[in-house]
Amino acid sequence: DAKTTQPTSMDCAEGRAANLPCNHSTISGNEYVYWYRQIHSQGPQYIIHGLKNNETNEMASLIITEDRKSSTLILPHATLRDTAVYYCIVSGATDSWGKLQFGAGTQVVVTP
Amino acid sequence: DTEVTQTPKHLVMGMTNKKSLKCEQHMGHRAMYWYKQKAKKPPELMFVYSYEKLSINESVPSRFSPECPNSSLLNLHLHALQPEDSALYLCASSQDEPGQGSGANEKLFFGSGTQLSVL
Repeated sequence: DAKTTQPTSMDCAEGRAANLPCNHSTISGNEYVYWYRQIHSQGPQYIIHGLKNNETNEMASLIITEDRKSSTLILPHATLRDTAVYYCIVSGATDSWGKLQFGAGTQVVVTP
Repeated sequence: DTEVTQTPKHLVMGMTNKKSLKCEQHMGHRAMYWYKQKAKKPPELMFVYSYEKLSINESVPSRFSPECPNSSLLNLHLHALQPEDSALYLCASSQDEPGQGSGANEKLFFGSGTQLSVL
């Protein structure tokens, strides 16, 4: 299973864009990048995923570098409700079969 | 219905008790999971069920016993737990298991968890 590296924490001002980096330098060609977030005392929530192309949905945008060794999750207009731990995970059809393993994640605090 | 429902939300048990955690989904998902999460730590995978069969056991002690009675239900039976087993237990489901290469069908839907305290 490809490992990911994320900053431990970051702060973001309300209304500003939050850019969350993730390094996954050992990702293999058929592994997807997934982002989840977990608000305190709740179950993790799926945000977005991608393989090679950049993706956007109603929650966020995902930018994946051309070599696929890193990605950035963008929350375009952060709100206080976006305060959460954000997890970047890679999962694919290699030795990670059936397993979605969470790393330490990034604690994001959105401030007024 | 895109919900995964877990009951109970909170559970306190003694080390000699037997209890069960329940998880239910009606999305037709073929894979279901149990995760354990200690405070300020990421969720840790415990078990994976695929098509109602146990496919992954992450070397979990036998005092935790999973059961999948049908495609919508997942139970976790608890017996003779230790205080260090106190944690948030999360259930999840997905259309396909991770690693099948299907991208969107592998995203997990989580329940809100059962907060377990072992005294």
